[in-house]
Amino acid sequence: EAGVAQSPRYKIIEKRQSVAFWCNPISGHATLYWYQQILGQGPKLLIQFQNNGVVDDSQLPKDRFSAERLKGVDSTLKIQPAKLEDSAVYLCASSLDLPPALHFGNGTRLTVT
Amino acid sequence: AQTVTQSQPEMSVQEAETVTLSCTYDTSENNYYLFWYKQPPSRQMILVIRQEAYKQQNATENRFSVNFQKAAKSFSLKISDSQLGDTAMYFCALPNTGNQFYFGTGTSLTVIP
Repeated sequence: EAGVAQSPRYKIIEKRQSVAFWCNPISGHATLYWYQQILGQGPKLLIQFQNNGVVDDSQLPKDRFSAERLKGVDSTLKIQPAKLEDSAVYLCASSLDLPPALHFGNGTRLTVT
Repeated sequence: AQTVTQSQPEMSVQEAETVTLSCTYDTSENNYYLFWYKQPPSRQMILVIRQEAYKQQNATENRFSVNFQKAAKSFSLKISDSQLGDTAMYFCALPNTGNQFYFGTGTSLTVIP
């Protein structure tokens, strides 16, 4: 089966610019997640979708981050405007409900200068 | 709230030897899953092993096995016959009933030839 696809692989932007990441989950996986992983830390959940509805976005900085999952498949995560502290790896994952197991993409490394 | 603690930031092991990575957690739930994920330099998080809390038998996947102590809330990963390809960050993870995964801070494992 094809894995979780993410793009771009790397992105370098200046602070106050905007950036968008794209994710295509494994076919049939209803749940999609975006995680932020700062260097030296474990992944932190930003947002969880079930089909095209938001299940949990309590840790998403909504003043600058937004995410959508149109038609319950692909998803985009946007940051506008970016700050230096947004430099991190952004991981997309998808999952079946049971048994739970996250399947991750390769991630996007974002550098904000 | 779920918490996951990994107290070993870095570890090393000689090739072909055995190493154990530690993880402790806290949850108020009685039935849950626990996971170990591996993150090599390529960044992709890979599922290593999964344990269901109601199963008393420790999970095993080839050279990887766990020591699950439910009462002590301990979930350690044993890697036998370590190989150079095992060099990676290892994360312990615990999902809640909503399948939001909580990750530890990780252990960086280096396999020495």
